[in-house]
Amino acid sequence: DAKTTQPTSMDCAEGRAANLPCNHSTISGNEYVYWYRQIHSQGPQYIIHGLKNNETNEMASLIITEDRKSSTLILPHATLRDTAVYYCIVSDLYSGGGADGLTFGKGTHLIIQP
Amino acid sequence: NAGVTQTPKFRILKIGQSMTLQCTQDMNHNYMYWYRQDPGMGLKLIYYSVGAGITDKGEVPNGYNVSRSTTEDFPLRLELAAPSQTSVYFCASSYSDRGATEAFFGQGTRLTVV
Repeated sequence: DAKTTQPTSMDCAEGRAANLPCNHSTISGNEYVYWYRQIHSQGPQYIIHGLKNNETNEMASLIITEDRKSSTLILPHATLRDTAVYYCIVSDLYSGGGADGLTFGKGTHLIIQP
Repeated sequence: NAGVTQTPKFRILKIGQSMTLQCTQDMNHNYMYWYRQDPGMGLKLIYYSVGAGITDKGEVPNGYNVSRSTTEDFPLRLELAAPSQTSVYFCASSYSDRGATEAFFGQGTRLTVV
């Protein structure tokens, strides 16, 4: 069973910030939150991950609530190339993309509108 | 640095035929994975390996076999192809000791069994 809940689809205007929510109410203390995206027909691409603190890299920002039961991925200035399926995944410290892999749900299909 | 390379990109098999999907990575990653993705669905883990000589089953291993004789290569074998194995197959790798890590994915092999 998926450990995360995401909206099926979202629209965002080009140039605006895209905010993708994810609920993970059963997350345990040693589980990280990962975000990957999959552009049509390509392999998934890593975006960002976090444990407790908010994180930012060149692609996105990750905001994790204090109770860690939900998070939001923020693409600050969405472009048409950001149209993709975005997967929110929780995975524990010692596998974290390691031994038992990553469990992918259906993700959120983000459509950037011109 | 090519990352994760999968061959072939496309293949059509007849029911009962066998084939090997090739996967190689040049990042010296210890962990490697095989996933399959059916239309409109997330990825499901078939097999994974934590290092040369060590493999283990994932969520959907039936009908597949793997081997890991070197760090670089992780081939997936289909012995008796069935229509239910029509899917897109992704290979991935990660370096995992402890803690969070990102997984790198290949571009996929699109397999049709007729």
